[in-house]
Amino acid sequence: AQKITQTQPGMFVQEKEAVTLDCTYDTSDPSYGLFWYKQPSSGEMIFLIYQGSYDQQNATEGRYSLNFQKARKSANLVISASQLGDSAMYFCAMREYQDMGFGNEKLTFGTGTRLTIIP
Amino acid sequence: KAGVTQTPRYLIKTRGQQVTLSCSPISGHRSVSWYQQTPGQGLQFLFEYFSETQRNKGNFPGRFSGRQFSNSRSEMNVSTLELGDSALYLCASSLSAGGQALTDTQYFGPGTRLTVL
Repeated sequence: AQKITQTQPGMFVQEKEAVTLDCTYDTSDPSYGLFWYKQPSSGEMIFLIYQGSYDQQNATEGRYSLNFQKARKSANLVISASQLGDSAMYFCAMREYQDMGFGNEKLTFGTGTRLTIIP
Repeated sequence: KAGVTQTPRYLIKTRGQQVTLSCSPISGHRSVSWYQQTPGQGLQFLFEYFSETQRNKGNFPGRFSGRQFSNSRSEMNVSTLELGDSALYLCASSLSAGGQALTDTQYFGPGTRLTVL
């Protein structure tokens, strides 16, 4: 089974609108961390936001917020007031505590969502 | 602070050759991870190094190897290249200051795009 599922291969959104990118995950580990990255066409992965499994509040970073619903195992990224520069691939990733052993930091990624902002 | 740097940015090789990719982490970062990104398989974890030791390895054949130097710089090597090795190879570094930090963020470099002909 896929550990990270991103069901939206592509999305088109009007500039200045809010957009929600879906991410569901599968783990039996009570301790895990969830990350979102943005990958522009240049290729570099840019870290956006982090949510820990024990965090009581949804994470926020500027225009990015994470709608974390632990019982549903979903961690959707919300981008408010989208801009043309937000056009990119977006990846959800997870790190599970049980994988960490002596501290390894492997991330498991979803397949990504290609977001296109329309002017 | 300078970000993660990777060299070269682009590489073209032929089947059967070998290749070495280099990664310089953010200053002070001790962990370096490598990922392969292809259209078909997506992002897959290759291996991770910390203090010159490989502490995790993904499900890749032995043709893929790596190492880390005392200054935390890392190299990965692919021997006997195959067409399927064509990919974007991404390096990521993290502070890994101690303990088992779920929150330790990996910061990625721009990648090396390898084309095997």
